[in-house]
Amino acid sequence: AQKITQTQPGMFVQEKEAVTLDCTYDTSDQSYGLFWYKQPSSGEMIFLIYQGSYDEQNATEGRYSLNFQKARKSANLVISASQLGDSAMYFCAMRGANTGGFKTIFGAGTRLFVKA
Amino acid sequence: KAGVTQTPRYLIKTRGQQVTLSCSPISGHRSVSWYQQTPGQGLQFLFEYFSETQRNKGNFPGRFSGRQFSNSRSEMNVSTLELGDSALYLCASSSGISAVTDTQYFGPGTRLTVL
Repeated sequence: AQKITQTQPGMFVQEKEAVTLDCTYDTSDQSYGLFWYKQPSSGEMIFLIYQGSYDEQNATEGRYSLNFQKARKSANLVISASQLGDSAMYFCAMRGANTGGFKTIFGAGTRLFVKA
Repeated sequence: KAGVTQTPRYLIKTRGQQVTLSCSPISGHRSVSWYQQTPGQGLQFLFEYFSETQRNKGNFPGRFSGRQFSNSRSEMNVSTLELGDSALYLCASSSGISAVTDTQYFGPGTRLTVL
């Protein structure tokens, strides 16, 4: 069965500093996709970044980068130069080629607080 | 390009009633998925529709049902509401082509409160 684990219920970071949000996963699929979403207090899930299991390079999108370590089954999100608007819930998610189709599995989330 | 829209945004119902939620995907997207989000259970997959057919289903009772129309708009229905159905219901759309690479884009959600 697929599983996503986010071990940090809450994180604090000083404005303009970098922060790493942890994510480990478990799957029997060889081909899978990993996603990170941001959920502000308004409730909408905002897509941040994607990493495919066969991608050799770590994904980057602006201030977001994904530290993908396939052997350790980890896909940590790095946010550089944190801004006050980054305060939100962050979810790591995955889908596999052979298990669940378009059923996305989400972690429990990490609440990030950015301090001024 | 317009994003995913969901209506209504807020809903208050009483136990035993039924409710219908609507989702309009991004233009050109043929896959619509529904998720339930609660503080206790987190985000849980309900079902996914592609070209008017249910392709995947989560572990929810039969009171939860859905459908998709020819224009890809989707509705989900919850019958005989229970207090535990109070949640944020999120709809997500994608092209529906690849489970591995497709990005799902979410709507703002419908917040359902059951009294």
